[in-house]
Amino acid sequence: IAGITQAPTSQILAAGRRMTLRCTQDMRHNAMYWYRQDLGLGLRLIHYSNTAGTTGKGEVPDGYSVSRANTDDFPLTLASAVPSQTSVYFCASSDSELGELFFGEGSRLTVL
Amino acid sequence: GQNIDQPTEMTATEGAIVQINCTYQTSGFNGLFWYQQHAGEAPTFLSYNVLDGLEEKGRFSSFLSRSKGYSYLLLKELQMKDSASYLCAVGNSNYQLIWGAGTKLIIKP
Repeated sequence: IAGITQAPTSQILAAGRRMTLRCTQDMRHNAMYWYRQDLGLGLRLIHYSNTAGTTGKGEVPDGYSVSRANTDDFPLTLASAVPSQTSVYFCASSDSELGELFFGEGSRLTVL
Repeated sequence: GQNIDQPTEMTATEGAIVQINCTYQTSGFNGLFWYQQHAGEAPTFLSYNVLDGLEEKGRFSSFLSRSKGYSYLLLKELQMKDSASYLCAVGNSNYQLIWGAGTKLIIKP
């Protein structure tokens, strides 16, 4: 089934640890995004990539990094996790800028 | 600053009609989106408006007035499965989406 796969679906980790959230899409979409969703707030863009080999900073990039080595994969890394990074993280893709977004199922991250 | 406002929560009755409003202030405008998000799930696309007027898609319709910075999502013949959060998002001049916090819609029998 075509779509976006995120892993892990849920993770608890200690503050200070390094963590990578994986995201893979098989729709050959050029654009990919990482959002975080917190209660009472709208989705906030962390990083994005308009095409393989390029990335950009979103609204809340601090403490996160991404890479886009190929079209399909867009991992998000927390170099040294902090409790304020406790959130639900969604990866999304679209075939164009401001096109319909297709979301992964989300990764629930708890930093203690 | 950029801002999207929508009610936090609404309640409606099965079979009825409900209108969810969204007002926005953004740097530029490149379209308005509505997404549906069931609890614990990912958002899914509902509609896109870039020109003023009403777009109808089955039981769901979306309206846009760019001069007023206003949109609404109209849901007809409500079903229990329509219980979800409805997210309004606007594309700004940098081609980035600005998201509202979402409206939680509760449907009662």
